[in-house]
Amino acid sequence: QVQLQESGPGLVKPSQTLSLTCTVSGGSINSGNYYWSWIRQPAGKGLEWIGRIHFSGSTSYNPSLKSRVTMSVDTSRNQFSLMLSSVTAADTAVYYCARDIDGGGYWPWYFDLWGRGTRVTVSS
Amino acid sequence: QLVLTQSPSASASLGASVKLTCTLSSELYRYAIAWHQQQPDKGPRFLILINSDGSRIRGDGIPDRFSGSTSGAERYLTISSLQSEDEADYYCQTWATGNYVFGTGTKVTVL
Repeated sequence: QVQLQESGPGLVKPSQTLSLTCTVSGGSINSGNYYWSWIRQPAGKGLEWIGRIHFSGSTSYNPSLKSRVTMSVDTSRNQFSLMLSSVTAADTAVYYCARDIDGGGYWPWYFDLWGRGTRVTVSS
Repeated sequence: QLVLTQSPSASASLGASVKLTCTLSSELYRYAIAWHQQQPDKGPRFLILINSDGSRIRGDGIPDRFSGSTSGAERYLTISSLQSEDEADYYCQTWATGNYVFGTGTKVTVL
């Protein structure tokens, strides 16, 4: 059974770079059928997609965050990562990694698997 | 503007049914959506896909108490035989113009 687990610092200082890693277990990240996403949720608020990456390294990002986001993949470790630069308090949130699956045109891309999330606070 | 609109809250008694609505903006009205459940302090879980023609696919292991339907620009999630563990936030989601769009979320309370 495939599982996703987020990891990384729970506290980041303003203006610094937030770095998180998602480890995929029980399955391979090397599947052409999937992308791998980061999504965040500020306390008491809704979900916001940050971006996604394919095992080939192909990426796409939310236009609202694109200038600050970099995602990477390490297939040897079955991991993918998020870097978000120049963080502010507005970036305080629970960050989730998720698996995107292609609905094949008739269906949309959607998230069929989610991690449990990791809380990141931006504060000095 | 690509928007999915949901009512902030819904409630029903234990054992009853509740119907949640996701309203698609005009640009999205023919799109299929996914529903996700987020129980308190947990990561979301995929429940079901619903398309504009009413076809639907439930996620692996999702009980048939969770069903979907559609009418025009609205996509519905009906939860039957409500159980205490159904108390959660529910989000609709689609994919459009290279971006994921989430609904605003509905908090379901089981009375």
